[in-house]
Amino acid sequence: RKEVEQDPGPFNVPEGATVAFNCTYSNSASQSFFWYRQDCRKEPKLLMSVYSSGNEDGRFTAQLNRASQYISLLIRDSKLSDSATYLCVVKAGSTGNQFYFGTGTSLTVIP
Amino acid sequence: EAGVVQSPRYKIIEKKQPVAFWCNPISGHNTLYWYRQNLGQGPELLIRYENEEAVDDSQLPKDRFSAERLKGVDSTLKIQPAELGDSAVYLCASSLGLEWTQYFGPGTRLLVL
Repeated sequence: RKEVEQDPGPFNVPEGATVAFNCTYSNSASQSFFWYRQDCRKEPKLLMSVYSSGNEDGRFTAQLNRASQYISLLIRDSKLSDSATYLCVVKAGSTGNQFYFGTGTSLTVIP
Repeated sequence: EAGVVQSPRYKIIEKKQPVAFWCNPISGHNTLYWYRQNLGQGPELLIRYENEEAVDDSQLPKDRFSAERLKGVDSTLKIQPAELGDSAVYLCASSLGLEWTQYFGPGTRLLVL
């Protein structure tokens, strides 16, 4: 079983829509969680960390559910510039110091 | 402030040839990572350095891959000999430490023919 699993999509949504991505992780001892954004043929960039209490950054909201071992990313009022691949990242492993990336979820926002 | 620098940006080689990638992390970043990203997949960690010490190389195929980070700054990743399946993007990232944000370089796109 993979450490991190994501629905690869693609998600095609109209501008202004709300879209949510989920990501599940297998190691219950995982410590840290992140969402990265990767534009086509570019490097990944940190979008936001995910905290136990949930956190919001403008139109983006991240949630962590430890009991069910998943994290989510909600994007409100989608913009064309939100089109990208969103990578779920979990810090886990036997030493707790390994970073595992999901395969990414592709989002296209349509005019 | 300059970001993570990688070179070359693109490399095309024939199978069985050697290839090397170079990474210059952000100044002051002690932790350096090498990842491999296959098409349609997320990055997979190959090796992590804390200063000049390789502290996690469990995913590095040691029969053909090697890496070094002399003086705890720049790093090189080498493949010898390259195989067709090595075609991927090789990403370098750095951070102040394990608990800090990773910043990725633009990557080296390798195509093995």
